[in-house]
Amino acid sequence: SQQGEEDPQALSIQEGENATMNCSYKTSINNLQWYRQNSGRGLVHLILIRSNEREKHSGRLRVTLDTSKKSSSLLITASRAADTASYFCAPVSGTYKYIFGTGTRLKVLA
Amino acid sequence: GAVVSQHPSWVICKSGTSVKIECRSLDFQATTMFWYRQFPKQSLMLMATSNEGSKATYEQGVEKDKFLINHASLTLSTLTVTSAHPEDSSFYICSARGQVADTQYFGPGTRLTVL
Repeated sequence: SQQGEEDPQALSIQEGENATMNCSYKTSINNLQWYRQNSGRGLVHLILIRSNEREKHSGRLRVTLDTSKKSSSLLITASRAADTASYFCAPVSGTYKYIFGTGTRLKVLA
Repeated sequence: GAVVSQHPSWVICKSGTSVKIECRSLDFQATTMFWYRQFPKQSLMLMATSNEGSKATYEQGVEKDKFLINHASLTLSTLTVTSAHPEDSSFYICSARGQVADTQYFGPGTRLTVL
């Protein structure tokens, strides 16, 4: 597999606002996954989008995938203080080794 | 479903001792488990991939004699940090992948502090 690069590195927003973070990768994928990590905890799986899908929703999460641009975005709507965490993407191709980037550190201010 | 546990959640040990960390998949069979380490404010770094019943595959730069990995059953993998030193202090996280799952499920992590 390959490393995903998340952007921005850090994001600070007010509660209730939307948060958008992006992930870019280099070669073709089978699927792409987003994870959340709260401070000092393991990763929580948020959503998986396959290479033949363009958009997927799960609750307040919306993920898009543009394989022509080799990029994905994660939108969190109506953010809450509990959404404060680091978010990582994992582009998956071939083997199932995940190589994580530095993530996006999201801070939601109450 | 898809719960992965780790034990212990934290451990403090003296330099030179060995520490064993367990990773269990509680409600599915994990054909493959992965071990990561994470330093403060940094990303997760993959250390090794272990398949049930076979030797682990270590990433470049990871000492296999220092970080012993055993995956003896479909629900349990262990990481033993041998002769631990302060520079081994880190957050160790495991993940598990089932036979048909497209997803890795992560444990809650183990904080190792070596004095």
